[in-house]
This record gives sequence, C-alpha cells and structure tokens, in this order.
Amino acid sequence: DTAVSQTPKYLVTQMGNDKSIKCEQNLGHDTMYWYKQDSKKFLKIMFSYNNKELIINETVPNRFSPKSPDKAHLNLHINSLELGDSAVYFCASSPPPGLAGGRATGELFFGEGSRLTVL
Amino acid sequence: AQKVTQAQTEISVVEKEDVTLDCVYETRDTTYYLFWYKQPPSGELVFLIRRNSFDEQNEISGRYSWNFQKSTSSFNFTITASQVVDSAVYFCALSDENRDDKIIFGKGTRLHILP
Repeated sequence: DTAVSQTPKYLVTQMGNDKSIKCEQNLGHDTMYWYKQDSKKFLKIMFSYNNKELIINETVPNRFSPKSPDKAHLNLHINSLELGDSAVYFCASSPPPGLAGGRATGELFFGEGSRLTVL
Repeated sequence: AQKVTQAQTEISVVEKEDVTLDCVYETRDTTYYLFWYKQPPSGELVFLIRRNSFDEQNEISGRYSWNFQKSTSSFNFTITASQVVDSAVYFCALSDENRDDKIIFGKGTRLHILP
C-alpha cells in the first residue's frame, strides 16, 4: 500500500490551461504539504494544511489553489498555467507531534512526485 | 530568518571513500529540528534523520553518521565506505515549531559515487 500517493505522475499541457494534481495519504497524519522542486532541484514549500485548515501559504500566486476535503487528501489546482510552472510537485504528510509540541514533527513522508511540463 | 546552506553543490568520490556533506543553518529560535533527506536518481524523497535542537549527541546508523554542532550551527552528514547506491542528491532541512512547522530545505548536494 502506497503511503502518500499522487496522481497523475506526469502531466504535459499547454500554457493557459488549468490542471489539478491529487494527493492522498493513508498514514493517518494530520498535516499535509505541497512542495515544488524546480529544474535545479531546489525544494520550496508552497502550502501546508493541518486537519483541513490552511496553515502555510508561502506567497504562491493566486493561480495555485489547494483544497483539502478531509485530512487524508490535499489537492492542488493550477489555473492559467505558465511556462515557469514546469516542475515536479511533491505532496507530503507529517505525523502529529510528540512531547515537543507543534503541529507536526517535521518528518515528511513524500509522494513520488508529479512532473508537470507546460509547453 | 531561517536559512539552510549546503555549500557543496556537487561532490564526486570513488567507491569506498568516506565523504562528508556539509550543512550550516540559521535560525533565531531555540527550539528547532534538523533533517537530512535523500533523493536518489529515481526521484523519490526519503527521510534519513531528524535531530532536535536540544540533542547534540552524534548519531550513527550503519555507514551513515551525523555530527550536530550548535556552536557552529552545523549538521554535517558523513557516509563511510561509500557505495554506488549512495549516489543521490542529499538535502539538509530545518523546521521551527514557532513558524507553523515550515520546513526549509537547503539547495541540496549532488553526490556521485564512482565505481
């Protein structure tokens, strides 16, 4: 059973289109994330949700809209795709905190990534 | 502000050599966590270790070891007797409980182990 699964794994589309990437985790974690990895391998956080509540929105353009229908799912919808959106998008989840507190432990369980190519 | 610096963009070593990947971090907070993640050529991201700011003990796991030094704000990663399967991009990361568990990654070090 895949712990964090993303679909689709590959997405090729034209500029201006709208696309969605879905993410589901079966680990029972409360916190989920979207990260973007560019062609230079730089990993940048985009969003995090804790139990369906938006916690982090890292100055991502409004064209990107995350949606969390329940704590096991975090989807990413992108409107009006641009060339610069081409990247690998990783979904991740994090276990609840232990004695240290905080919302999550920071140990991330990643999906396999969704490679988006905008032509 | 939080920051993670991995000054080595790319390293190549011959198999069986030891190699150390450097990580220097910046944070104003007293409670934080440090991590290492591995991204092999297949692309998945794999968690290796988490260390909290109150635990400066070094850690060893098989051929992997980590040296956490608060005095120099460093969390270096050493692979002993490297193997070709260790070839990957390695990311150091930092999170701070006071910032909603935002996990900041360094730019990664690409490690090539040559047979």
